[in-house]
Amino acid sequence: GENVEQHPSTLSVQEGDSAVIKCTYSDSASNYFPWYKQELGKRPQLIIDIRSNVGEKKDQRIAVTLNKTAKHFSLHITETQPEDSAVYFCAATTDQTGANNLFFGTGTRLTVIP
Amino acid sequence: EPEVTQTPSHQVTQMGQEVILRCVPISNHLYFYWYRQILGQKVEFLVSFYNNEISEKSEIFDDQFSVERPDGSNFTLKIRSTKLEDSAMYFCASSENSNTGELFFGEGSRLTVL
Repeated sequence: GENVEQHPSTLSVQEGDSAVIKCTYSDSASNYFPWYKQELGKRPQLIIDIRSNVGEKKDQRIAVTLNKTAKHFSLHITETQPEDSAVYFCAATTDQTGANNLFFGTGTRLTVIP
Repeated sequence: EPEVTQTPSHQVTQMGQEVILRCVPISNHLYFYWYRQILGQKVEFLVSFYNNEISEKSEIFDDQFSVERPDGSNFTLKIRSTKLEDSAMYFCASSENSNTGELFFGEGSRLTVL
């Protein structure tokens, strides 16, 4: 089955700086890569996703890049703000199973220091 | 905004007891899921459910686990005879269909087995 690795496990940045979180996956059939944000005590929420037919996607301060050859994808947050502090999870799946059986990374705890 | 709701938020039980975790998915969603997260570890897929039957399950989802949609709104996870290692946060999720990508998660039910 799919194995997703995520680094770093913790990340502290100064407000206004950029943050980058990296993930690798093992199954070359994976074609959908979402990123979820989980604030303390709250539910995971989708913040951005990318499919294998594109290499980059951007939504305001958040961007995701995908390198299918190397089987890795990254989350980039620019101009970080204190409210970006949370745990971020990457995930991978192939939608060929008929359902979104996501395989998650171990999470990155991001702390933005004011 | 519609949300996935879960009850209870926290349950403490003795080893060997049966536990039922309840979820109300978003009303027009067709796919339902259970994931779990052992403290400090990654979110793991348990089972997906569509058209009143299991569409896929992981190795974790053994004979001790079952899911049911007893009526038009609830989706339950039953653990027949709990073990210490079942202690985890259990997340229910739903999606409108398998290809939209976004899973909407509930806030989780924390199960503690003593």
